[in-house]
Amino acid sequence: GAVVSQHPSRVICKSGTSVKIECRSLDFQATTMFWYRQFPKQSLMLMATSNEGSKATYEQGVEKDKFLINHASLTLSTLTVTSAHPEDSSFYICSAIEGSQTQYFGPGTRLLVL
Amino acid sequence: RKEVEQDPGPFNVPEGATVAFNCTYSNSASQSFFWYRQDCRKEPKLLMSVYSSGNEDGRFTAQLNRASQYISLLIRDSKLSDSATYLCVVNRGNYGQNFVFGPGTRLSVLP
Repeated sequence: GAVVSQHPSRVICKSGTSVKIECRSLDFQATTMFWYRQFPKQSLMLMATSNEGSKATYEQGVEKDKFLINHASLTLSTLTVTSAHPEDSSFYICSAIEGSQTQYFGPGTRLLVL
Repeated sequence: RKEVEQDPGPFNVPEGATVAFNCTYSNSASQSFFWYRQDCRKEPKLLMSVYSSGNEDGRFTAQLNRASQYISLLIRDSKLSDSATYLCVVNRGNYGQNFVFGPGTRLSVLP
């Protein structure tokens, strides 16, 4: 299947700092990428849909000014968690659509905010 | 009521057993359906898409019942490596991609 990478895989930061997570589709172009968050023992929750060349669409309850999304090219979307707080600690996973509606996920980024 | 529902389990079964999971969805306009598996602390990986005619991939069989709005996954001859959480995923469609995940069903295959 298609390959999606994420970087970094793990990050620890101090409260109040900003963290950028990159999501890349390595062998295909993705006009749409998704950002999810998963807390322990819970299912994935969609945060936003990232569209190349246009503004992201955020799910209800997700602050667009806190979670900045930039989809600058057909192979790269970034999520920046601004002024991170301990409650933002979570597993952040991106995915990209390849061809016929199949989602492929990146390996995820574990964020720990101290 | 959640849009996509699954029995969270856990399902504890012996090696070699057959186990079945169901998933129900509430949005009748949903257009495509998938089963993913997620190992602990890993990303979800596509197991199989689900078609109205039913589809089989080795020991795995998936079926869709649009009238009753449920999806099933059958695993035959369970292996230890099948232990994971199985996620039912529904694409609402409607002019864009709009995926909704079920809470997952945890399976433990025991030696």
